[in-house]
Amino acid sequence: HSALAQPASVSGSLGQSITISCTGSSDDIGTWPYVSWYQRHPGKGPQVIIYDVSSRPSGISDRFSGFKSGNTASLTISGLRAEDEADYFCSSYSTSITYVFGAGTKVTVL
Amino acid sequence: EVHLVQSGGEIKAPGESLRISCQGSGFDFSDYWIGWVRHLPGKGLELMGLIFPDDSDTRYSPSFQGQVTMSADKSTSTAYLHWSSLKASDSGIYYCTRQMRGNYFDPWGQGTLVTVSA
Repeated sequence: HSALAQPASVSGSLGQSITISCTGSSDDIGTWPYVSWYQRHPGKGPQVIIYDVSSRPSGISDRFSGFKSGNTASLTISGLRAEDEADYFCSSYSTSITYVFGAGTKVTVL
Repeated sequence: EVHLVQSGGEIKAPGESLRISCQGSGFDFSDYWIGWVRHLPGKGLELMGLIFPDDSDTRYSPSFQGQVTMSADKSTSTAYLHWSSLKASDSGIYYCTRQMRGNYFDPWGQGTLVTVSA
C-alpha cells in the first residue's frame, strides 16, 4: 500500500491561514468519510484535532478545520499561532489495510 | 482523565528480543481496540495492528504479520509489543493509541524510541 501523500513542509506567518493537503485513493479518502488529522509536537505523542473529515474533538480550537473532495482531504489552520508549529499527519480508514496514514507535514510559523 | 503511558526508550543489538508496554488509565481498557503505530525516521506513520484486550483478538497489518507479536493483560490495562529478533530497520518511535468508535485514534501514548544498533 502507499501512504497518503502530504507536502513535507508548509510555512506561514503569525495570523495567516495555511492549508495542508492529503491525497489518497478510492480505497481510502475517496470512499470513506473517516479522515482524521493529528498534531504532534516534538517529543510528544500525536493528538487528534479533526475526525470524520471535519469534526473537532472537545477542546480543539475552531481555528482548525477539515474538508474532503474526491480523493483529497485538507486541513486549514486559521490565525496561525506560534504553538501551531508542529508536525501534522492525516489518516483515513482504508478498504485494504484498515487505516492508512500520511507521511506528515512540518508546519513552520514565521 | 484518559491516558496511555508507554515504557521507556530501549537500545538493543540486532538479534535481541524486546517487549515494550503501554498502560491505560481513565477508561475501560478492555472495551477498546488498542493500536500500535510505527514512525520510522523520515517516513510516515504506519499502523502495525490492533488488539482488543478483553479477548486478545488481534488484527495485524499485512506488512507486520509475523514480524511482531501484540498481546494484552486486561487485569493491568496493559498492552505489549514484542520482537523476537530485532533488526536495525526496526529502529524508530513506536506509539500505542486507542481506536475510538468513530474511526480515529485518541489518546496516544508518548512514544517509545527503539534503537537497534551493533
